Amino acid sequence: DAGVIQSPRHEVTEMGQEVTLRCKPISGHDYLFWYRQTMMRGLELLIYFNNNVPIDDSGMPEDRFSAKMPNASFSTLKIQPSEPRDSAVYFCASNPLGVGNTIYFGEGSWLTVV
Amino acid sequence: GEDVEQSLFLSVREGDSSVINCTYTDSSSTYLYWYKQEPGAGLQLLTYIFSNMDMKQDQRLTVLLNKKDKHLSLRIADTQTGDSAIYFCAESFNTDKLIFGTGTRLQVFP
Repeated sequence: DAGVIQSPRHEVTEMGQEVTLRCKPISGHDYLFWYRQTMMRGLELLIYFNNNVPIDDSGMPEDRFSAKMPNASFSTLKIQPSEPRDSAVYFCASNPLGVGNTIYFGEGSWLTVV
Repeated sequence: GEDVEQSLFLSVREGDSSVINCTYTDSSSTYLYWYKQEPGAGLQLLTYIFSNMDMKQDQRLTVLLNKKDKHLSLRIADTQTGDSAIYFCAESFNTDKLIFGTGTRLQVFP
């Protein structure tokens, strides 16, 4: 299996621009998670989906952030407009059945907003 | 509430044992995990322990869980330079979320 696939791996964008991060979970995994990693705050859960339905988005920082999962094999995390404080590594992860099962992480999307 | 804390840095000599500690606040956690993150990569699961266990051993890794003190530790025997990475502990509950600690950066020197 190819694992969780994220794109882009790296992005540098100007403040105010829209950023779209993409994720393809492992086939057959019912849960998909978006995490953000920064030096200051560590690894934060932003939102997660079960069977394409958002279950908990309490970690989404503000209205500039939105996430969708239109089908079982694709999810997006969008930031509009982007700000320098959004610079971070954004990880997508998936697992098959929830609690007690291994969560598999993608390699991350490294975002820099200048 | 959900809060997981770790010390930020640990430095050990190659061949020695490393012990990475973690404390958590929510006693209702069901599973506790250790993840490893190498530079420029995502997180990889190292091991996990069910909350009704005290200890789990897996080759060079030993996990100890003290539920009374809400303390989790990861011991790496015979630490190698390839073990240099950031180690995260995480807890999950009867929901599907994983809450991660801040991560401990392990540096192994010759």
